[in-house]
Amino acid sequence: RKEVEQDPGPFNVPEGATVAFNCTYSNSASQSFFWYRQDCRKEPKLLMSVYSSGNEDGRFTAQLNRASQYISLLIRDSKLSDSATYLCVVMPGNTPLVFGKGTRLSVIA
Amino acid sequence: DADVTQTPRNRITKTGKRIMLECSQTKGHDRMYWYRQDPGLGLRLIYYSFDVKDINKGEISDGYSVSRQAQAKFSLSLESAIPNQTALYFCATSDSDGQGSTDTQYFGPGTRLTVL
Repeated sequence: RKEVEQDPGPFNVPEGATVAFNCTYSNSASQSFFWYRQDCRKEPKLLMSVYSSGNEDGRFTAQLNRASQYISLLIRDSKLSDSATYLCVVMPGNTPLVFGKGTRLSVIA
Repeated sequence: DADVTQTPRNRITKTGKRIMLECSQTKGHDRMYWYRQDPGLGLRLIYYSFDVKDINKGEISDGYSVSRQAQAKFSLSLESAIPNQTALYFCATSDSDGQGSTDTQYFGPGTRLTVL
């Protein structure tokens, strides 16, 4: 089982839609969790950290389920500018981050 | 000015040539990383360094070497480039919280390397 798994997509959604991505991780000792965003041919950038109690940043909501070892990202009221690849990222311990391969989102007018 | 810079941004070279990719950061972070990204394979860690005297192999270190010349500089070398090293290479940095945990990584803009 890969350390971090994501559905590669693409998810094609209309503007204004709500879309959710899930990600599973294999190392139950993982301590920190993040979502990064990567635009085409650009560097990944932190979108948000994921906290145990769940957290929200504007239209974005991240949740963590330690028991089932999955992380989710919910995007409400999708904008054209949300089109990107979303990377699920896990820190197994005092080791470098492990990146998922990403889920591609296309928001269509 | 960008906090993490990479040079060159694009490079085309021939099989067998020695190539060096350079990364500099002004964030004052201790930890630096080199990744490559290939379509469908995501980001894969090549080498990482938690401080100037520390070098660690990542998932795919074969065919690569690194040098941490200073806290702010981390270079990646391909001693004898081959076509399957054609990829997008990213440098990244992160800080330590003093308790050994690695936090947010900040990426450079990437170097697009083509080996013919």
